[in-house]
Amino acid sequence: AQKITQTQPGMFVQEKEAVTLDCTYDTSDQSYGLFWYKQPSSGEMIFLIYQGSYDEQNATEGRYSLNFQKARKSANLVISASQLGDSAMYFCAMRGVEYGNKLVFGAGTILRVKS
Amino acid sequence: NAGVTQTPKFQVLKTGQSMTLQCAQDMNHEYMSWYRQDPGMGLRLIHYSVGAGITDQGEVPNGYNVSRSTTEDFPLRLLSAAPSQTSVYFCASSYGQADSGNTIYFGEGSWLTVV
Repeated sequence: AQKITQTQPGMFVQEKEAVTLDCTYDTSDQSYGLFWYKQPSSGEMIFLIYQGSYDEQNATEGRYSLNFQKARKSANLVISASQLGDSAMYFCAMRGVEYGNKLVFGAGTILRVKS
Repeated sequence: NAGVTQTPKFQVLKTGQSMTLQCAQDMNHEYMSWYRQDPGMGLRLIHYSVGAGITDQGEVPNGYNVSRSTTEDFPLRLLSAAPSQTSVYFCASSYGQADSGNTIYFGEGSWLTVV
């Protein structure tokens, strides 16, 4: 069965520093996709970044990058140069054929950026 | 969250009442899903659909019904509301398969309280 594990319930980071949010996954699929979403206090789900299981390069989107280590089944999110507006809940999710292309979420990590 | 519209945004129900959460998308997406979000548990899949006329259960389907008569609409019905259904509900839609990289779009969420 597909499963996403986020082991950090909460993280603090100093403004302008980089932070890594951990995500490990479990699946028997060969073809799957990994997603990161941001949920600010207003509640909406904001798509950040996507990594396909066959992508050889780590995905990057502006200040966000995904450190994809397929053999270790990890897909950590790296946020560079943290900003106060990065304070939010962050969810890792995956989608694979094994689970009928449904999106499975981790429990989330709350990030607080300190000034 | 452009393209996925959820209504209502807030609702208070009495135990035993029924109601329907509406979800509509105008992007011609095949896949539509309903999730509930509870503290410390991330988002859990209630029901999903891979096209008009096709629905299936997710992780927590009990107490909810869905139908998909059109591509655009995917309503979620609470048959007899219970306090355990107090939660935030999200509708999501997307194209295609797991590794296609297609962004999954979320509605803004519906805050439901059952008293």
